[in-house]
Amino acid sequence: SAVISQKPSRDICQRGTSLTIQCQVDSQVTMMFWYRQQPGQSLTLIATANQGSEATYESGFVIDKFPISRPNLTFSTLTVSNLSPEDSSIYLCSVMTGSEQYFGPGTRLTVT
Amino acid sequence: TQLLEQSPQFLSIQEGENLTVYCNSSSVFSSLQWYRQEPGEGPVLLVTVVTGGEVKKLKRLTFQFGDARKDSSLHITAAQPGDTGLYLCAGEGGSNYKLTFGKGTLLTVNP
Repeated sequence: SAVISQKPSRDICQRGTSLTIQCQVDSQVTMMFWYRQQPGQSLTLIATANQGSEATYESGFVIDKFPISRPNLTFSTLTVSNLSPEDSSIYLCSVMTGSEQYFGPGTRLTVT
Repeated sequence: TQLLEQSPQFLSIQEGENLTVYCNSSSVFSSLQWYRQEPGEGPVLLVTVVTGGEVKKLKRLTFQFGDARKDSSLHITAAQPGDTGLYLCAGEGGSNYKLTFGKGTLLTVNP
């Protein structure tokens, strides 16, 4: 398993600003993922973040809106840019260890 | 595109009752994972099933993977209020170990 922490746990941001979310893992992992969970919904994969290469984005998600950094094997950041109320969601990072994925506690973002 | 359909979407039962949650797809998955998520928390992995026909038990929870690896079920015996939460199934079958999530079953167990 893996222990994952996220910062901040929650934030309220104004329209047009950006929020950067940090994800820290207690062990080195190759694959990290960023998900979005909109209110009352399931999880949607935003992108896969691999160390040493650019993130791979899913359909409907673009780098300009969701830039991701992966400077080492234990850390990643997701920035949600040019915020709008539609970006209000829980953002979760996860890691793959063996064949299983483990999730962080999430960051609850509210855009006003 | 691989899709996972979960049913029921909502379930409210009394303590001590049994229940089953279903997760179905037309696609074959190499593995399927079940998670439970409580409000304000991330999903917590309960079990991973890999082999068609596999049955795994975790205390009062029984997980089954269909023979064709297209469907799965979660059965809870004698539910307790602590079982309350959002149950999510997720299948792995694409590239890059991506998970496809079902929409979840929100379970409420009333004392």
